[in-house]
Amino acid sequence: DGGITQSPKYLFRKEGQNVTLSCEQNLNHDAMYWYRQDPGQGLRLIYYSQIVNDFQKGDIAEGYSVSREKKESFPLTVTSAQKNPTAFYLCASKGGRVTDTQYFGPGTRLTVL
Amino acid sequence: GDSVTQMEGPVTLSEEAFLTINCTYTATGYPSLFWYVQYPGEGLQLLLKATKADDKGSNKGFEATYRKETTSFHLEKGSVQVSDSAVYFCALILGTYMNTGNQFYFGTGTSLTVIP
Repeated sequence: DGGITQSPKYLFRKEGQNVTLSCEQNLNHDAMYWYRQDPGQGLRLIYYSQIVNDFQKGDIAEGYSVSREKKESFPLTVTSAQKNPTAFYLCASKGGRVTDTQYFGPGTRLTVL
Repeated sequence: GDSVTQMEGPVTLSEEAFLTINCTYTATGYPSLFWYVQYPGEGLQLLLKATKADDKGSNKGFEATYRKETTSFHLEKGSVQVSDSAVYFCALILGTYMNTGNQFYFGTGTSLTVIP
């Protein structure tokens, strides 16, 4: 089955630690995205990538970093510089046409202890 | 700039009631419009979409019509069920690969609870 996987589903981090969230897709999509969702809030774009080895900052990139070494993978690192990292993180991917649907993974819930 | 505005929730309805969730947009060009649904603890799933004016998207009894004259894409369902309880997001995408990077703009979401 084609789709997007995120791991882990739940992640706990101590303050001051970096942590990396995984996102993999087998939909052959060029574009991939990371969003942050806080309780009762909408989605805020962290980073997105249109092609391998290229990515752009979204609205709230500070304290986060990404890489796109393979088409299938778009890992997100939450660094210690992110002041309030506890949130639900969603990864998504999309085909090349503007009208294509954006498909989402199941999400990772990150909690800072 | 480009944006989406949704009616604020939460919305609570009795089973079999009629549902409307309002969505209006601001866009500098001709967007494609989407409704996504999110169940607790999960990612977003596409519910329906419309890519040009006067198009109607429909799925699972839900409908929305792309109204360019009122810049709206309201979500409707004639008879809701308990299983429809979720958060609904309106979204748009605008532009070409070169101009906007295929960025989606999401509304803040509307929480729906359907009671038996």
